[in-house]
Amino acid sequence: EVQLLESGGGLIQPGGSLRLSCAASGFTFSSYAMSWVRQAPGKGLEWVSGISGGGGSAFYADSVKGRSTISRDDSKNTLYLQMNSVRAEDTAVYYCAKGIERTSVTCYDHWGQGTLVTVSS
Amino acid sequence: DIQMTQSPSSLSASVGDTVTITCRASRGISNWLAWYQQKPEKAPKSLIYGGSSLQSGVPSRFSGSGSGTDFTLTISSLQPEDFATYYCQQYNSFPETFGQGTKVEIK
Repeated sequence: EVQLLESGGGLIQPGGSLRLSCAASGFTFSSYAMSWVRQAPGKGLEWVSGISGGGGSAFYADSVKGRSTISRDDSKNTLYLQMNSVRAEDTAVYYCAKGIERTSVTCYDHWGQGTLVTVSS
Repeated sequence: DIQMTQSPSSLSASVGDTVTITCRASRGISNWLAWYQQKPEKAPKSLIYGGSSLQSGVPSRFSGSGSGTDFTLTISSLQPEDFATYYCQQYNSFPETFGQGTKVEIK
């Protein structure tokens, strides 16, 4: 059974940094693209960042480009998102999502339960 | 960026009805289109990929069609557990983009 478990959310002050983690199990982690998708309170889904299976390619939404880094540790079956200089508009539930294939641009067949990030002073 | 526009934004329907949701891409995306279902306070659930292929375990009352710029999600014989918000997503190119969502409510 595929499981994705996010962690690292919480209350963060504007301008601060956060590191989200997603622990994966139940599939060959290295063979699949992974992404972070967020949802602001009461809003729709927004793709944030994606990384190919094996980590050779990474892509970012304009809203986080330059202040975020996606990475993966295939030996630990874990996906990460480092976000710096956070802003109020980064407040959202962040979901980890498993791609249906290795390539970065993909759709998703499994989602984590999400971790809430609140940016506020 | 490719813009995805869903219609309607919300609809009311009864158990047993057939419901159709439309998703339009601002430019052609072949069949690189997925559909997701989300219930309040829950993570999205994947329904369809490739425009018309059902994800494993998804009931056959869900179907998808379309190619290019115009796509539809059809739910035949609506069940109580189908009342939720539905999103389309294009994965033709980065950034991947989602429609704004269609909320299916009980009439």
